[in-house]
Amino acid sequence: SQTIHQWPATLVQPVGSPLSLECTVEGTSNPNLYWYRQAAGRGLQLLFYSVGIGQISSEVPQNLSASRPQDRQFILSSKKLLLSDSGFYLCAWSVTGGWEEKLFFGSGTQLSVL
Amino acid sequence: AQSVTQLDSHVSVSEGTPVLLRCNYSSSYSPSLFWYVQHPNKGLQLLLKYTSAATLVKGINGFEAEFKKSETSFHLTKPSAHMSDAAEYFCVVRGAGNMLTFGGGTRLMVKP
Repeated sequence: SQTIHQWPATLVQPVGSPLSLECTVEGTSNPNLYWYRQAAGRGLQLLFYSVGIGQISSEVPQNLSASRPQDRQFILSSKKLLLSDSGFYLCAWSVTGGWEEKLFFGSGTQLSVL
Repeated sequence: AQSVTQLDSHVSVSEGTPVLLRCNYSSSYSPSLFWYVQHPNKGLQLLLKYTSAATLVKGINGFEAEFKKSETSFHLTKPSAHMSDAAEYFCVVRGAGNMLTFGGGTRLMVKP
């Protein structure tokens, strides 16, 4: 069966510090991978998505970057965090094939930048 | 380009009465549509999905949604609300390139 792991679950970082959130998927190959952010009181905003190794699309200009060094690994990074980077970050994966689509989400990371 | 609009940020109903959460979408591609629920301090849970099969989709916990292409809508309904239905609900469209776009969310409150 497929599983998605996202860590850490919570993170408190000072302004100006770096960030690295990791997401890995097991039990499938060549998934589509996504990073979303949910700011307080708002919906989910698509930050990055990837259809393959080294292929990253950014949806909004920001202080963050994403990388996909391996097929089932997706990393969200920042060199210097801003207060506005606080929020709930969600990794997701999907694969389309056959007669059914599948969507799965990680458990999320609550990031507080102080 | 694609977008999703959830027409109500908050909906309040009494227990035992019907629930209607509205969602309109736009997509230049034949979309797949989903409804997710997020309970406090928990992750997202898939309620139901439409992927070009039957236009009336039945999901978990008694929820269902009807895809209406002419109205570009995918409203979520339930005949009788339960206290445990109180949560945040997200309408999601999936279009070209498997891009997922979320609506702004609707907070459902259920009064006893």
